[in-house]
Amino acid sequence: DSGVTQTPKHLITATGQRVTLRCSPRSGDLSVYWYQQSLDQGLQFLIQYYNGEERAKGNILERFSAQQFPDLHSELNLSSLELGDSALYFCASSPRLTSGVPYEQYFGPGTRLTVT
Amino acid sequence: GEDVEQSLFLSVREGDSSVINCTYTDSSSTYLYWYKQEPGAGLQLLTYIFSNMDMKQDQRLTVLLNKKDKHLSLRIADTQTGDSAIYFCAERGDSGGYQKVTFGIGTKLQVIP
Repeated sequence: DSGVTQTPKHLITATGQRVTLRCSPRSGDLSVYWYQQSLDQGLQFLIQYYNGEERAKGNILERFSAQQFPDLHSELNLSSLELGDSALYFCASSPRLTSGVPYEQYFGPGTRLTVT
Repeated sequence: GEDVEQSLFLSVREGDSSVINCTYTDSSSTYLYWYKQEPGAGLQLLTYIFSNMDMKQDQRLTVLLNKKDKHLSLRIADTQTGDSAIYFCAERGDSGGYQKVTFGIGTKLQVIP
């Protein structure tokens, strides 16, 4: 158990709909990352937040957005869903950056999204 | 931008050694990582190497780093069926006071009994 929780575990929805995925980082971790893992694209970095602020953006579509709240939990919002958005969505967290420390990312179990 | 590349698939026989390779582009990388993803689970850190090291050994795992060629490899000795998983290479670059980790696409290791 990494200490990172994600809800829901599974989500089935129709094209055109909007969903919200939730992530609670490990206690004390300030950074939250979102990743999308699909069979054909592998693991794709979407976005990173650090202490409530967006820090880095990867291959995140304009239909997707995220935020990190004052209690450090994060939500990933996916709208106008398409069949191709079906994937596993992972959240990961890591602590404050410290020079000389390996800085492991701790991954949650993922949310499996199926768009029909 | 930073890029990490690795092959998609590797198949080995149980008891043989597995070597998973990775190349990266960020010359300012400070740490390089290998993560393991077992079926139905999230990624877990397997091992890491600091960029000023050439080699790190941890039981059956050997990590080799060629910084000049920006090439990282993971060798698993005496590969077991329980080693079947997806292995992700990742590199960390520190920029603007916070770290950025870039993952490869993942190499699926299949161990044949």
